[in-house]
Amino acid sequence: ETGVTQSPTHLIKTRGQQVTLRCSSQSGHNTVSWYQQALGQGPQFIFQYYREEENGRGNFPPRFSGLQFPNYSSELNVNALELDDSALYLCASSPEGGSTEAFFGQGTRLTVV
Amino acid sequence: KQEVTQIPAALSVPEGENLVLNCSFTDSAIYNLQWFRQDPGKGLTSLLLIQSSQREQTSGRLNASLDKSSGRSTLYIAASQPGDSATYLCAAPTGANNLFFGTGTRLTVIP
Repeated sequence: ETGVTQSPTHLIKTRGQQVTLRCSSQSGHNTVSWYQQALGQGPQFIFQYYREEENGRGNFPPRFSGLQFPNYSSELNVNALELDDSALYLCASSPEGGSTEAFFGQGTRLTVV
Repeated sequence: KQEVTQIPAALSVPEGENLVLNCSFTDSAIYNLQWFRQDPGKGLTSLLLIQSSQREQTSGRLNASLDKSSGRSTLYIAASQPGDSATYLCAAPTGANNLFFGTGTRLTVIP
């Protein structure tokens, strides 16, 4: 059974640029959620995708957008990067909807300079 | 909005000691409660999931309890080992799509 994988593991971008982060969900999981974790903080919910539709969104601006593909993999896109966007971005997948156990990937460390 | 608090923020214990990590939440209408482990700069590893109808779950040296009425969960680690050193996070979702996390307890087990 393949776990949740994220790419890339590390990324450095310049303020104002755009970035795309990718996540492959665990086999058999149709729900993917994205979280942002600033240094020393707990993860904060960005949004969730269930069967290719957005299924909830946290308190993040519209420049954070996402997509889920028919194979349930997902992308997180961030436009007009700001210095405060520097964080660890975590992807989690779960078997059916979001009320079941969540399994996380290893994260993507984004640094905005 | 759910608020999750973890106490203590950091804990240092000698190897072999039993210890308890605390998690409290403000909204008791939770779907479940999940404990995670996070190593520095890494993703989250799921340790235990307690459904809202359950009182506790056990896995090896770990035991987690849940008291919804008081808004509390505890993670008990028996016979701690240096390899247990990590940050431990709890998450208590009130909806189907949003895990609310605490800021974690950073545990150091001294050999």
